[in-house]
Amino acid sequence: NAGVTQTPKFQVLKTGQSMTLQCAQDMNHEYMSWYRQDPGMGLRLIHYSVGAGITDQGEVPNGYNVSRSTTEDFPLRLLSAAPSQTSVYFCASTPGKGDEQFFGPGTRLTVL
Amino acid sequence: AQKITQTQPGMFVQEKEAVTLDCTYDTSDPSYGLFWYKQPSSGEMIFLIYQGSYDQQNATEGRYSLNFQKARKSANLVISASQLGDSAMYFCAMRPPGGYQKVTFGTGTKLQVIP
Repeated sequence: NAGVTQTPKFQVLKTGQSMTLQCAQDMNHEYMSWYRQDPGMGLRLIHYSVGAGITDQGEVPNGYNVSRSTTEDFPLRLLSAAPSQTSVYFCASTPGKGDEQFFGPGTRLTVL
Repeated sequence: AQKITQTQPGMFVQEKEAVTLDCTYDTSDPSYGLFWYKQPSSGEMIFLIYQGSYDQQNATEGRYSLNFQKARKSANLVISASQLGDSAMYFCAMRPPGGYQKVTFGTGTKLQVIP
C-alpha cells in the first residue's frame, strides 16, 4: 500500500491563480480530511469527507472547495489564490473504526 | 466546541531522561478521543498514541505513555528514556464522538533532546 499520497510536494502560485492539490489513498478509508499548518498555529481543519459524495466544512473553509467522487480521491481546490493561503497542506484519512489518522507527506504552497 | 491547549512552546531534555509534554483540553462531550502526533523536521505527521475518554487505563506504546486525568481535563505525553531522534514537534489532538475527521489540534511543543 502507498498509504496517503499528495501531489505536488511544492507549488508556487501568483495571487489570483487557481490550482488543485491532489490527495489519494489506497486503504479504502471512508473518512478523509484536509488541514493547513501555519507556524505557531498547529493544524487547522479545512474540509472533510465522511464518504464518497459527502463533504463538509471544517474550521477554515473560505477560499477552498472539495469534492469526493470516489473513495480514493479527495482533491482540494484553491479558487483564487491569496498570500494568506501560503501554508503547508496535509491530507489525512482514517477508516473510522480505528483511531489513528494516516497523513500524507504534505504540500508546501507559496502564494506570491 | 472543543479546544486543545499546549502551553509549552519549547522544551529541552537530556538524553536518556524522561520528559512530560503538557496538554489540556476543553469539551462538553462525555465521549471523545485524545491523540498525540510527532512531527520531525522532515515534516511528516507520525501517530504516537491514543486515549479514549472511557478507557480505564492510561494508554502506553513503547516509550510513550499518556497520563490521562479526566477530572483535570489533561492528557500529558510522557516520553521515557529520551533519544536524540525524539527531537521534534509534538501535537496533542482531540476528536468528538463519531467525528473521526473533525480533529482539533493544539499548537504544538518543540522538544529538543540534548546529548
